[in-house]
Amino acid sequence: GAGVSQTPSNKVTEKGKYVELRCDPISGHTALYWYRQSLGQGPEFLIYFQGTGAADDSGLPNDRFFAVRPEGSVSTLKIQRTERGDSAVYLCASSSTDRRTEAFFGQGTRLTVV
Amino acid sequence: GDSVTQMEGPVTLSEEAFLTINCTYTATGYPSLFWYVQYPGEGLQLLLKATKADDKGSNKGFEATYRKETTSFHLEKGSVQVSDSAVYFCALSDPVTRNQFYFGTGTSLTVIP
Repeated sequence: GAGVSQTPSNKVTEKGKYVELRCDPISGHTALYWYRQSLGQGPEFLIYFQGTGAADDSGLPNDRFFAVRPEGSVSTLKIQRTERGDSAVYLCASSSTDRRTEAFFGQGTRLTVV
Repeated sequence: GDSVTQMEGPVTLSEEAFLTINCTYTATGYPSLFWYVQYPGEGLQLLLKATKADDKGSNKGFEATYRKETTSFHLEKGSVQVSDSAVYFCALSDPVTRNQFYFGTGTSLTVIP
C-alpha cells in the first residue's frame, strides 16, 4: 500500500484480556517503530525493529508487552493481561534505510481497556 | 540522553497572525530535526525537516531553521489560516543509532477567523 496501515483502527477489550495490534509498513522500509500516545501527550517510544530483529525494546513498559516482525515486514504488538492504564493510541511508523529520512506514521489503533 | 522540549500550549491566534512555536533539543551527536503535525482526527504527518546545522526546512508556508549554536528548531509561519489548527510536534532522530524518534509533548494551535 501507499502508506503505513494499522489494524484494527479501534479495539475495546476487557481488563485482563490479550490483544494483538497489527502494523503493515511501507513496502521496502526496513525500520519499523511502535509508539504509544496518550491524550494530550507526544508519542512515547516502545520498540524499534531493523529488519526482523528488535534492535531496541527499551521503551516497552513491562513484560506484558511484546512485539514481533517475523519476516521483516508486518509487525504485531501483543499485550497480555491488559490493564486500564494500557488505554491509548498505539502508533506504528516505518522508515527507509536512509539514516536521515523521516518516519512515516500510520493512523494508529485506539485501544480502550474497560 | 536525547530529548526535545517544546513550547506548551494551547496557542490561540487570529487568522493572518504570525506564529512561532519554540523547540529546543538535547542530543549527543548531530541529530536530524523534524516538525510533525496532527490535524483533528488524523494521524501524524511530517510537516518539514532539516538534517544538518543551518538547514532551513519549509512546507505550506511554515519554516524552521536548524540552529546548532542555540540547539533550537523553532517553527514559524508568517500568516496562519484556520486550516492550520492542529497539534504540532517537534522531533529529533539520531542518524547514527536511529533507534527512535524523540518527540516533544506537542503544542495545540487554534486559529480563529
